[in-house]
Amino acid sequence: DQQVKQNSPSLSVQEGRISILNCDYTNSMFDYFLWYKKYPAEGPTFLISISSIKDKNEDGRFTVFLNKSAKHLSLHIVPSQPGDSAVYFCAASAFGGTSYGKLTFGQGTILTVHP
Amino acid sequence: DAGITQSPRHKVTETGTPVTLRCHQTENHRYMYWYRQDPGHGLRLIHYSYGVKDTDKGEVSDGYSVSRSKTEDFLLTLESATSSQTSVYFCAIRDGPTYGYTFGSGTRLTVV
Repeated sequence: DQQVKQNSPSLSVQEGRISILNCDYTNSMFDYFLWYKKYPAEGPTFLISISSIKDKNEDGRFTVFLNKSAKHLSLHIVPSQPGDSAVYFCAASAFGGTSYGKLTFGQGTILTVHP
Repeated sequence: DAGITQSPRHKVTETGTPVTLRCHQTENHRYMYWYRQDPGHGLRLIHYSYGVKDTDKGEVSDGYSVSRSKTEDFLLTLESATSSQTSVYFCAIRDGPTYGYTFGSGTRLTVV
């Protein structure tokens, strides 16, 4: 029962173009969403997040969009750079009650940015 | 890595042997988590802790146990290692009011 799904295992884009990574979720109790980036042989690092009360959050070249009615979020990277090549994980949490901040992760999308 | 260390970084062990992985933090954070990363599955929660001696199961806890006798250490034990437990294991910490985890660098475990 995969509550957070990233249906694209990989994405390849040209340097300078836009990268769009997608994520779908099924649990309507999720109220906070995060994106993590992971390089080989390293732990994931936090990239950007969004609360369910918002539909957009920007941080430099990274923007996350949330469509609650569709239970869908996306990460836009503009412009893409070769250093952005990594695995990107979408994650979600229901931060109320006894969740203890547990995150549910998607399967990950391998982004390759070509020079 | 921002006050969180995992040991060992790599381990090869035989089927049926017990294995303990260690996560050590210097941040005094209350919440600690163990995840495993496998192709096609992303990161899946094994166990987590919300305080000293306070632990609970995640979605893939079978065959694993944990202990947290001190704030700084969270141990993951594979009671009798199986080949299906070959994976990369990540520990994470979280401060109460913040939402992002800080992950360790991971332990690559191979069960032969």
